[in-house]
Amino acid sequence: DGGITQSPKYLFRKEGQNVTLSCEQNLNHDAMYWYRQDPGQGLRLIYYSQIVNDFQKGDIAEGYSVSREKKESFPLTVTSAQKNPTAFYLCASRGSGANVLTFGAGSRLTVL
Amino acid sequence: AQSVSQHNHHVILSEAASLELGCNYSYGGTVNLFWYVQYPGQHLQLLLKYFSGDPLVKGIKGFEAEFIKSKFSFNLRKPSVQWSDTAEYFCAVPDDYKLSFGAGTTVTVRA
Repeated sequence: DGGITQSPKYLFRKEGQNVTLSCEQNLNHDAMYWYRQDPGQGLRLIYYSQIVNDFQKGDIAEGYSVSREKKESFPLTVTSAQKNPTAFYLCASRGSGANVLTFGAGSRLTVL
Repeated sequence: AQSVSQHNHHVILSEAASLELGCNYSYGGTVNLFWYVQYPGQHLQLLLKYFSGDPLVKGIKGFEAEFIKSKFSFNLRKPSVQWSDTAEYFCAVPDDYKLSFGAGTTVTVRA
């Protein structure tokens, strides 16, 4: 089945550590996105990529980094510079010619 | 940039009650509009979408939404809710190459 796989589902991190969240899609979609979900704030865009080897900052990119070396993969690194990293992170992708996003199951990061 | 406002943060209903969730977007022109739903423990999934044509859009599970251009609104409705409609609902609008989401409305349906 086609879809988006995010891993790990749950992750605990100590303050000061970087952590990388994985996002893989087998939908052959060009565009991929990372959103952060916090209670009462909806989904806020961290980074997005419209094509391989290209990505743009979203609304809350500070303290995060991404890469897009392969079409199917868009990993997100939460760095120690992110002041409030505890959140639910959602990866999504979009095929060409449509604005409909397909979402992964999410990764919940907790910083201890 | 587009922005989206959802008026209700948390709605609590009894089964068989009617539901209406408000959504307003910031500016006009050609718009596509979406409602997404996140059931407890599940993926965020598309509930319904409006691209053009009939402003009354039917979605899955008996939901519908009405696009009112003059009011910049896209309100979600369901005439009779079920316990299984307990979820978080998000309105979304494309903004350049990305999708902007509202803050979400948590709907709790009591049996």
